[in-house]
Amino acid sequence: QQQVKQSPQSLIVQKGGISIINCAYENTAFDYFPWYQQFPGKGPALLIAIRPDVSEKKEGRFTISFNKSAKQFSLHIMDSQPGDSATYFCAASENNAGNMLTFGGGTRLMVKP
Amino acid sequence: DSGVTQTPKHLITATGQRVTLRCSPRSGDLSVYWYQQSLDQGLQFLIQYYNGEERAKGNILERFSAQQFPDLHSELNLSSLELGDSALYFCASSRSGLQETQYFGPGTRLLVL
Repeated sequence: QQQVKQSPQSLIVQKGGISIINCAYENTAFDYFPWYQQFPGKGPALLIAIRPDVSEKKEGRFTISFNKSAKQFSLHIMDSQPGDSATYFCAASENNAGNMLTFGGGTRLMVKP
Repeated sequence: DSGVTQTPKHLITATGQRVTLRCSPRSGDLSVYWYQQSLDQGLQFLIQYYNGEERAKGNILERFSAQQFPDLHSELNLSSLELGDSALYFCASSRSGLQETQYFGPGTRLLVL
């Protein structure tokens, strides 16, 4: 059972454009939503995370938008750069389940120069 | 560099065999997590330990087992290996084992022939 659905699977964006990746979840007990970035041959690394008490969080060019009623959240990468080319994973966890992360399927982003 | 080390980097073995993957967490981190990343299943949580005790369990097969030692390093044991066990195995660590950043190691790539 896929509890976190991520789309699109792949995304091509021109340099300077906006990359948007969407995730939807089913488990209403989820209350922590991180995004991880993974480069080829490397382990995932935390990019930005949000909790459901806020609707938006911005860190530099990266913004998470969160819609609790729709059970959806998204990552926006502004002014996308070729160095942003990587695979992005959304994830979710619930407070009473330790720190067990349920990951979305991943989005392979390519930013063309 | 996340500070999490994993050995070996690559492992090639045959079906039916047993292997042990090793993980050393970041200095000061008490919690260790194991994840499996494959093309068809994506990134899946296997198990979490906190200060030597099992904290959470995911979709870990009965043929797989793990433990965390007093020095906080962890080992993931995979036995009776099948072709479908071929995957990247990541270890991650965090400070307290609660909802916080998980730092991923570089992974061990297992190929079962």
